[in-house]
Amino acid sequence: SQQGEEDPQALSIQEGENATMNCSYKTSINNLQWYRQNSGRGLVHLILIRSNEREKHSGRLRVTLDTSKKSSSLLITASRAADTASYFCATQVDYKLSFGAGTTVTVRA
Amino acid sequence: DAGVIQSPRHEVTEMGQEVTLRCKPISGHNSLFWYRQTMMRGLELLIYFNNNVPIDDSGMPEDRFSAKMPNASFSTLKIQPSEPRDSAVYFCASSRGQSNTEAFFGQGTRLTVV
Repeated sequence: SQQGEEDPQALSIQEGENATMNCSYKTSINNLQWYRQNSGRGLVHLILIRSNEREKHSGRLRVTLDTSKKSSSLLITASRAADTASYFCATQVDYKLSFGAGTTVTVRA
Repeated sequence: DAGVIQSPRHEVTEMGQEVTLRCKPISGHNSLFWYRQTMMRGLELLIYFNNNVPIDDSGMPEDRFSAKMPNASFSTLKIQPSEPRDSAVYFCASSRGQSNTEAFFGQGTRLTVV
């Protein structure tokens, strides 16, 4: 069963704009991870945030985690055409990594 | 490192045939996952191995599905007999450790059962 649910399902933005997507989950977790999937390819890990962390940055990515609300957000700043992809949040409890349905992001040139 | 390697990339087979998907995890990784991705159900965890031992196979849909990991560098997922509803993209992923580590995914095997 899917633990995380992303919102929105789809997002279309202009190059240079910021993209924000959210993830909500149901149970306590060890960590939350974000992955990117380009069409027809495997998933690529972007960032991992542990349950005792509130915010993490990696390049143009910013992730927040609010364990009291059981939610996370991924912000991509200054988007590029190459950021066009599906983005998935994944919650980890022990070894089990459970994925949401994903947000499809289209960056228009 | 070449990453997680899956073969074949594409497989088209007739209903009732046996299908074997293969995975070579990243060297040094001791956790291996098999996932199935469909439009309807998203990414589903089928089975998890740690140190070559199946730990959780609760996601394996039916007895028609079986998975093995004979050594640290090879795993197979077998479907026998295959059915059209098994059509999906199957991913193998590996990670170092059991928790709080990132998973590295292969490119997937797109299976079509006609």
